[in-house]
Amino acid sequence: DAGVIQSPRHEVTEMGQEVTLRCKPISGHNSLFWYRQTMMRGLELLIYFNNNVPIDDSGMPEDRFSAKMPNASFSTLKIQPSEPRDSAVYFCASSLVQGGSGGNGYTFGSGTRLTVV
Amino acid sequence: GENVEQHPSTLSVQEGDSAVIKCTYSDSASNYFPWYKQELGKGPQLIIDIRSNVGEKKDQRIAVTLNKTAKHFSLHITETQPEDSAVYFCAVNMLTFGGGTRLMVKP
Repeated sequence: DAGVIQSPRHEVTEMGQEVTLRCKPISGHNSLFWYRQTMMRGLELLIYFNNNVPIDDSGMPEDRFSAKMPNASFSTLKIQPSEPRDSAVYFCASSLVQGGSGGNGYTFGSGTRLTVV
Repeated sequence: GENVEQHPSTLSVQEGDSAVIKCTYSDSASNYFPWYKQELGKGPQLIIDIRSNVGEKKDQRIAVTLNKTAKHFSLHITETQPEDSAVYFCAVNMLTFGGGTRLMVKP
């Protein structure tokens, strides 16, 4: 099993540009989570999906952020337009069964380090 | 929403000693409490978890205890080794994470 696969590993972009982060969950997992990690705010849940449906997006900072999960094997997190304060490491995680509680096999990807200059 | 506090923020121990990290939470309905280890440049890795119907769980040198009444849970690492050095995070229901504890094990 290749685990949760995120791409790219690193992204440097200019302020105002669109950024798209990608995640491939573990095959068979039915819940997917997007997190952001910064020194100041730690690990924050942005959004999570269950069976490809967004369940809770209350952590999405603002309208510049959007996430999609068109099928069980792929999800994207898009920032448009990007700002320097979006610089962080973005993690994707997946699990089996219901997201948020009672699941099994919660596994994180290696993350995407985003730098907005 | 849920509020999770984790202490201490840094912990330095001598190799072979025990390390204990504690987290408190606010929502009494929470029912899943995982612990993650994060090494530099990597994603968090699940090391142990506990559900609300269990008071203690052990896996070799690692154990987690849960006190539902007091709403706190703790990670216990015995016989620490230098490779245990990392940042450890607690979480509640995978939705809210503690602020992390940097554990340093001195050889």
